[in-house]
Amino acid sequence: LAKTTQPISMDSYEGQEVNITCSHNNIATNDYITWYQQFPSQGPRFIIQGYKTKVTNEVASLFIPADRKSSTLSLPRVSLSDTAVYYCLVGKRGHDKIIFGKGTRLHILP
Amino acid sequence: ETGVTQSPTHLIKTRGQQVTLRCSSQSGHNTVSWYQQALGQGPQFIFQYYREEENGRGNFPPRFSGLQFPNYSSELNVNALELDDSALYLCASSSLRTNTGELFFGEGSRLTVL
Repeated sequence: LAKTTQPISMDSYEGQEVNITCSHNNIATNDYITWYQQFPSQGPRFIIQGYKTKVTNEVASLFIPADRKSSTLSLPRVSLSDTAVYYCLVGKRGHDKIIFGKGTRLHILP
Repeated sequence: ETGVTQSPTHLIKTRGQQVTLRCSSQSGHNTVSWYQQALGQGPQFIFQYYREEENGRGNFPPRFSGLQFPNYSSELNVNALELDDSALYLCASSSLRTNTGELFFGEGSRLTVL
């Protein structure tokens, strides 16, 4: 499983766009990039998944450059309720174990 | 559609005791994974069950064991509890039929070992 590196913490303000970058230099050809969000005392929640270029859903966008060695989760116009830990994971779709790193603690300020 | 449910939500044990945590998977999901999350850390993979068989295990000692039942619900058993076992234990269900392979987590069981 490819190792990921992401910032330990980030601060931003309400209404801003937040970009969290994840580095995964050893990503394999069959690997997908997946992001989860976790609020305190809750289980992580799937946000978005992508393989290459750009993926967008109702809550976020995921940008993946051609070399796939990094990816950027973009949260548009964040609110206080987006304060959470965000995990970047790399692995095969439906693979047998999903490994979480330490994640990025995002703190949104009013 | 019923989500993942875990019980109990909180419990306190003493060193050396044994604990059983329970998880009901989301409807239609045949795979259950268990994670341990210490305070301030990311979830650590314990093991996964698929069709009642262990299907992958993380770096946890044998005193962590599990079961999956025919209805796909699951149990996590921890024997000879140690202080470091204090953590949030998360259960997640998934289905190989889901394109993304995403995990659906329960709210967790918070275990305190005194």
